[in-house]
Amino acid sequence: SQQGEEDPQALSIQEGENATMNCSYKTSINNLQWYRQNSGRGLVHLILIRSNEREKHSGRLRVTLDTSKKSSSLLITASRAADTASYFCATPTGGGNKLTFGTGTQLKVEL
Amino acid sequence: EPEVTQTPSHQVTQMGQEVILRCVPISNHLYFYWYRQILGQKVEFLVSFYNNEISEKSEIFDDQFSVERPDGSNFTLKIRSTKLEDSAMYFCASSTEWGSDTQYFGPGTRLTVL
Repeated sequence: SQQGEEDPQALSIQEGENATMNCSYKTSINNLQWYRQNSGRGLVHLILIRSNEREKHSGRLRVTLDTSKKSSSLLITASRAADTASYFCATPTGGGNKLTFGTGTQLKVEL
Repeated sequence: EPEVTQTPSHQVTQMGQEVILRCVPISNHLYFYWYRQILGQKVEFLVSFYNNEISEKSEIFDDQFSVERPDGSNFTLKIRSTKLEDSAMYFCASSTEWGSDTQYFGPGTRLTVL
C-alpha cells in the first residue's frame, strides 16, 4: 500500500448523518494533516494532528491518530450538503517538508 | 485571514511553449512549495524552496522546471517547454516551519497544454 491511503474511496450519506473516513500510512510521521478539495478547486486545510496526540476536534470535525496502527480517521458529524468534497490525508515524508497525499475519499452528502 | 493566491487561474498553451505560474505566499511564511494534480489523480509534490534555494525536489521536477522568488512576495514556477503530460492543476503552498507545520495551499492554476 502507498503512504496515505484513504478508505472508503467514495462515501454517500444523507444530510445529518456522520461521515467517517480512514487513512493509513507506512512510515513514521511527526504529524498528519487532513485537507478538503471541492471539485476542481484548491486544497483547504482542515486539521493537523501531531504524533503525540491521539484525538483532536475542530467544530464538527474529529480526528484520531493511532501511531501503533499507522492510521487516522476523520469524522464529520451532522454532515451538510456543503461538506460534499474530496478529503485527503497528507503526511510529511522523507525527513523534509514534502507532503505525501493519499488518494482521497469522495464524500457526497445528499439532501 | 491571509491566504495564498495564484495567477492565472487557468492557462492554455501550445506544446513546446514556456509558461510561468505565479504565486503570492502568505507574507510571514518562509517555506514555499509547488504541487501538481493531474486530473483524477493524487496531489504530487514537485519542489520545496527556502532561503532562495531549492530544499527538495521530486523526480517530476526535471530540467524543464525551475522556481524563483524574484522579489519579496512572488514565487514562480516556470516550465520551459511544455508537454501534453504537463496538463494538470498546479498548487502553490507555503508554511512557517520545516517538517511540522501546516501547509496552506492556493486555489491552483489549471494548465492545459494543447
